[in-house]
Formats: sequence, C-alpha cells, structure tokens
Amino acid sequence: EPEVTQTPSHQVTQMGQEVILRCVPISNHLYFYWYRQILGQKVEFLVSFYNNEISEKSEIFDDQFSVERPDGSNFTLKIRSTKLEDSAMYFCASSWVKGTNEKLFFGSGTQLSVL
Amino acid sequence: LAKTTQPISMDSYEGQEVNITCSHNNIATNDYITWYQQFPSQGPRFIIQGYKTKVTNEVASLFIPADRKSSTLSLPRVSLSDTAVYYCLVPSTGGFKTIFGAGTRLFVKA
Repeated sequence: EPEVTQTPSHQVTQMGQEVILRCVPISNHLYFYWYRQILGQKVEFLVSFYNNEISEKSEIFDDQFSVERPDGSNFTLKIRSTKLEDSAMYFCASSWVKGTNEKLFFGSGTQLSVL
Repeated sequence: LAKTTQPISMDSYEGQEVNITCSHNNIATNDYITWYQQFPSQGPRFIIQGYKTKVTNEVASLFIPADRKSSTLSLPRVSLSDTAVYYCLVPSTGGFKTIFGAGTRLFVKA
C-alpha cells in the first residue's frame, strides 16, 4: 500500500539553527500539507500546497517557515531560525482529491527537538 | 466552518462494542463526515468516511441519521490495540485546510 514517508524520524537542533524536514507524498497525490503536534496537544494545521504554491496557511506559519516541492517527489518544510517552541512532531500529509470528501494520508512524522 | 463536538474520553473493555458520537449541527449540504484514528507518536490515519445512512468497512461502521447533524463511529469488539484518539472531521467550506479538534481518547482495558 502506498504511503507518505518522512525523514528524518528525529531531529535535534540548537535554537537559531535552520532545519529542513523532508517528505515524499504518495505519488499520484496533488495536495500536500504540513501539520504539527506539540506533545499532549491537538494536531495543528500549518500549510497546504497545491500546484506549486501555498493554498492556505495558518497563523503559526510565519516568515520563519517555508515549503517547497523541489522536484516531482519531495515536499519540504524549512524552519529558518528555530525557537524552543518549535519543538513538536511534524506530520506531512497528502491527498489526491480536495473537497468535502477529501481523505488525508499522513506520514509517521518527524520529532523535532530544539535545545 | 462546520464545528464538531465529541466526548473528550471514553473507557471500554476488550471485546466490547464502542460507539463514539460526534455532533456537527452546522454541517453543510455537501460535507462528508470523516473519521481518523491516531496512535501515540504516529500520524492520524483515515478510518472511515460517509455522507448519509450507514457505511461499513473492515475497521468500523459509521452511522449518520437523516438530519446529518451527528454521526456515530462504531468499533466492534475492541482490543487493547484500539486504544487511540479518534477524530471526527467535517471539512471547511472553501479554503484548503482540514482542521482537527481535540478528538476522543479511547482507553481499552483488559
């Protein structure tokens, strides 16, 4: 069964450093997403991406965040200057349809720890 | 945005049927209802989706009454491995974001 893959599974970084989280969505999917989940809290929407541009973003997704689909398979989330509060599990998701019957397929996540 | 309300937590025992009800009073005509399951340290996983009446798959059943203002996820004969958070989602109208609420934490005991 096709799946969304994320690398690395764990990332430890120092505050102020840049990190890039990588995702390979399911191959025929057209819509891509990043979510995050701080320990013990809700899954929070960060950004959606379609047709090589951001479709929508949350207030969390400020100028420190960026997304890119550099080739036909990868989808990345960059945090330019990490803060302690960026520590969370980051999930990538993809879907092949957008609408009221959309189904998101999630990766297993990258646990980001900012020290 | 159609808002959903579901219990914060539920307890059950192995072998029992579990029903988790979600209310969505402001559901739009075209909205489907989708349920996801999340285990600790994993991403949410799609389990079932429906528009009206009843939908069944190998994992669960979803019951939706005629007014569609609520839905019930039914898990038959739960096991310890069904301990997870279950999310009921009704999509945003317009926009491109799927919003997760707090979900229902199901604890299955031996």
